[in-house]
Amino acid sequence: DAGVTQSPTHLIKTRGQHVTLRCSPISGHKSVSWYQQVLGQGPQFIFQYYEKEERGRGNFPDRFSARQFPNYSSELNVNALLLGDSALYLCASSNPPLLAFYNEQFFGPGTRLTVL
Amino acid sequence: RKEVEQDPGPFNVPEGATVAFNCTYSNSASQSFFWYRQDCRKEPKLLMSVYSSGNEDGRFTAQLNRASQYISLLIRDSKLSDSATYLCVVTYSGGGADGLTFGKGTHLIIQP
Repeated sequence: DAGVTQSPTHLIKTRGQHVTLRCSPISGHKSVSWYQQVLGQGPQFIFQYYEKEERGRGNFPDRFSARQFPNYSSELNVNALLLGDSALYLCASSNPPLLAFYNEQFFGPGTRLTVL
Repeated sequence: RKEVEQDPGPFNVPEGATVAFNCTYSNSASQSFFWYRQDCRKEPKLLMSVYSSGNEDGRFTAQLNRASQYISLLIRDSKLSDSATYLCVVTYSGGGADGLTFGKGTHLIIQP
């Protein structure tokens, strides 16, 4: 079975541009979460989507948005890119039987975004 | 404020030695605890969950002290392949709606 897939693997943008990152969860998983990992730091939570609805949001500006599609894949959009948005963007999928219980999150290989 | 603190290292350890990491968390409402491993330029992968009673998986032992709000990871008989960054992870709600809260990671280098 395929794991979590993300595209593109690498991306170079300039300040002010926008970017769309894509994620396909493990087959059967209905929850997708997005994380930003700046070099030398641990991943930071951006969003969680479950059954196509936003269920959680981290401390990120409104320039960051996401959505989940009927097939449970997801997109992360970042507008008005800043130099500080340069990071590895990780997508994780899980399938909690109930949102009240934690289920292991499986991470994709990430998209490395460089903003010049 | 939700914080997870770790010593970033690096820890340089000879092969075969025992090494231990600690991690502290600030929010007493934390529910679940984990250690993730991240190899250079790769994604994090779950190493083990951490339970109040302590748990062991081969050469790895994890312990949780809720009263003192710290988590530990012990690696015995370390191998070269154990070289990686070890991330301490905490969740504050079920289902991951608040996401996983990661520490900055502890960099471990096993030397031959």
